[in-house]
Amino acid sequence: AQTVTQSQPEMSVQEAETVTLSCTYDTSENNYYLFWYKQPPSRQMILVIRQEAYKQQNATENRFSVNFQKAAKSFSLKISDSQLGDTAMYFCAFMSGFGANSKLTFGKGITLSVRP
Amino acid sequence: DAGITQSPRYKITETGRQVTLMCHQTWSHSYMFWYRQDLGHGLRLIYYSAAADITDKGEVPDGYVVSRSKTENFPLTLESATRSQTSVYFCASSESAGNYEQYFGPGTRLTVT
Repeated sequence: AQTVTQSQPEMSVQEAETVTLSCTYDTSENNYYLFWYKQPPSRQMILVIRQEAYKQQNATENRFSVNFQKAAKSFSLKISDSQLGDTAMYFCAFMSGFGANSKLTFGKGITLSVRP
Repeated sequence: DAGITQSPRYKITETGRQVTLMCHQTWSHSYMFWYRQDLGHGLRLIYYSAAADITDKGEVPDGYVVSRSKTENFPLTLESATRSQTSVYFCASSESAGNYEQYFGPGTRLTVT
């Protein structure tokens, strides 16, 4: 079974600075997908970024980028130029790439606070 | 309105009562999911469905029942609610299998007293 570990329960960053959220996972599969979801105080789950394991290039979405280290099974999220609206809980998630298995396995999440 | 909706948004019930949480999506997505979110556990999959009349267990299915008679609806029933089922419940849907984004509903906060 796959596991996703987010070892930092909370982080804080000054507005406009850069912060990196860590995530590690464990799987025996070679083909899979990784995601970061954001959950603001509204509770809505929002997809931030995704990475296909077969792609060597790290995914980027505006101020959000990942550092995907497949051999180390590490998938960290970097938020540049942090904004107050980035304050939220962030979840790392894993999805198997095999067949019809679309199930997401989530980490426990990390609470990010952006200070003005 | 288009999208994925859940009802009710908040529910308080007593131990032993039956409760049904509703989920409706307007995209005709094949896949639908139910997760529960608890402090310290992140989101955990309860049940999922690949199509109408096809459902399967997730990580924490005990005490829950689902059905999918229509593609757009995926109700979750707690047959005899327990305090351990106090949680926030999220429904999600995706177009297909594999690397397709899952779209989440707004969640239902359920309290069992």
